[in-house]
Amino acid sequence: NAGVTQTPKFRVLKTGQSMTLLCAQDMNHEYMYWYRQDPGMGLRLIHYSVGEGTTAKGEVPDGYNVSRLKKQNFLLGLESAAPSQTSVYFCASWNTEAFFGQGTRLTVV
Amino acid sequence: KNQVEQSPQSLIILEGKNCTLQCNYTVSPFSNLRWYKQDTGRGPVSLTIMTFSENTKSNGRYTATLDADTKQSSLHITASQLSDSASYICVVSAYPGSARQLTFGSGTQLTVLP
Repeated sequence: NAGVTQTPKFRVLKTGQSMTLLCAQDMNHEYMYWYRQDPGMGLRLIHYSVGEGTTAKGEVPDGYNVSRLKKQNFLLGLESAAPSQTSVYFCASWNTEAFFGQGTRLTVV
Repeated sequence: KNQVEQSPQSLIILEGKNCTLQCNYTVSPFSNLRWYKQDTGRGPVSLTIMTFSENTKSNGRYTATLDADTKQSSLHITASQLSDSASYICVVSAYPGSARQLTFGSGTQLTVLP
């Protein structure tokens, strides 16, 4: 039982490049979330999903897209990375409690 | 706008000492308040959760208090250990049973020195 696993753990992108962050959970949770964490700020919700095939926008969705084709996976995509997207990204799945992955540190240069 | 403010931003204490972290919130309607511990390079891990009717909750050396009238919470750490060095995040939920309405504080960075 691995809980919530994020890949990759680190990534450096050039401005304009694209990438996909993968979140996988093995707890059969319906709800999954993507957050970003920036220095001096609380975690902010990017997008979330309440079940397979559904997605919705959170507080800071611009510049990101998501997909939930399988219940256990929640993908976060950056189509054209910008320096403002330099951050640490956390995925979480939810039952009655939030379980977080270990994070992905993304740097856009 | 829902907000959660934590103080102090950072704290340094000696091993074995006690400390108290503060959380003030303006989240409505209030559902529950959680404290998370986030070790460097890791995701947050839940310590306690309190609903409106609870005013104290303990988890080992961690004791959280909640005053729903003044919208304040505190996390007290007793007999600190080096492994307590981490960021402690206060999270308030305005929507029962959903992470969609979680409001996160920016955390208190605690450093425990030997």
